Amino acid sequence: SQTIHQWPATLVQPVGSPLSLECTVEGTSNPNLYWYRQAAGRGLQLLFYSVGIGQISSEVPQNLSASRPQDRQFILSSKKLLLSDSGFYLCAWSRRLGYTFGSGTRLTVV
Amino acid sequence: QQQVKQSPQSLIVQKGGISIINCAYENTAFDYFPWYQQFPGKGPALLIAIRPDVSEKKEGRFTISFNKSAKQFSLHIMDSQPGDSATYFCAAHNNAGNMLTFGGGTRLMVKP
Repeated sequence: SQTIHQWPATLVQPVGSPLSLECTVEGTSNPNLYWYRQAAGRGLQLLFYSVGIGQISSEVPQNLSASRPQDRQFILSSKKLLLSDSGFYLCAWSRRLGYTFGSGTRLTVV
Repeated sequence: QQQVKQSPQSLIVQKGGISIINCAYENTAFDYFPWYQQFPGKGPALLIAIRPDVSEKKEGRFTISFNKSAKQFSLHIMDSQPGDSATYFCAAHNNAGNMLTFGGGTRLMVKP
């Protein structure tokens, strides 16, 4: 069966520090991968998606970047965090229909 | 044209009542309509889904009604329970880009 792992679950980082969130998928090959951000009480904002290794599409200009170094690995990064980067970050994968989401990372920038 | 409009933004229902969440879309290329349920601090999870060639799908207390001509679909939660309190997202799949477009979400609170 397919599983998606996302870590860490919570993270508190100072303004200006770097960020690296990792997401891995097991039990499938060549998945589409997605990063979403969810502000408190708000909807799902698509940040990046990837259809293959090294292929990244950015939906919203921001202080973040994404990379896909391996087929089932998706990384969200920032060189210098801003207060506005705080939120709940979700990774998801899909093959045909529907997405499967990870458990999310609660990021607080202080 | 890629938008999916979801209403209401929040909903309070008494235990045992019916919760109804509505979504509307414009893009006729959408070919699959899932609903996701999200509990606080967790990722959204697939709840129920429907294809446009079906007008209704029922799974337990959850029912999707689909009106293709009106380009609307809705989620009905029968006999709503406090454990149903969560945020619900409708979505629509675009086969051309293999992407889901999400509605803005509905925060449901079921009062005991």
